[in-house]
Amino acid sequence: GAVVSQHPSWVICKSGTSVKIECRSLDFQATTMFWYRQFPKQSLMLMATSNEGSKATYEQGVEKDKFLINHASLTLSTLTVTSAHPEDSSFYICSATEFIQSGTEAFFGQGTRLTVV
Amino acid sequence: DAKTTQPTSMDCAEGRAANLPCNHSTISGNEYVYWYRQIHSQGPQYIIHGLKNNETNEMASLIITEDRKSSTLILPHATLRDTAVYYCIVRVGSARQLTFGSGTQLTVLP
Repeated sequence: GAVVSQHPSWVICKSGTSVKIECRSLDFQATTMFWYRQFPKQSLMLMATSNEGSKATYEQGVEKDKFLINHASLTLSTLTVTSAHPEDSSFYICSATEFIQSGTEAFFGQGTRLTVV
Repeated sequence: DAKTTQPTSMDCAEGRAANLPCNHSTISGNEYVYWYRQIHSQGPQYIIHGLKNNETNEMASLIITEDRKSSTLILPHATLRDTAVYYCIVRVGSARQLTFGSGTQLTVLP
């Protein structure tokens, strides 16, 4: 199947700093990518939909000014957590979809563990 | 997307078949049943999907009831590496995003 690469796998940052997470589709073009957040022992929660060449769409309760999303090319979306605080510590996962015979298929990055200290 | 109901957790002996059930009684005619799994601290991994026929691939088999209101994922010979949270998701085939429920924590015991 298709490959989605996420970088970094883990990051520790100081409170108040910003962190950028990259999500790349390695062997297909993704006009749409998705960003999820997962807290310990919880399921994945969709944060936002990243659209190539246009503004991202954020889910209710997700601050767009805090979680900046850029999707400048068909293979790269970035999530920047601005002015990070300890409560932003979480597992962030990106996903890209590819059209297949029966519709679309979602492929996931390996996730980024963010720890804000 | 239709809502799904899965048991919170299940155990399975290594080498035995693991049968993971999922109820999706409100599924629509154009919605597929997808299964993903998430090994601890990794991104979800696609396993299998189907519309109404049973499906099999190198990882698992998917059995969908005739009325499509429930399905069962079968891992024929579970190994310790199959320990993960398994998510059953129903969605329209053309939909791009996934809505995750709480899933089933499968623990394969030696």
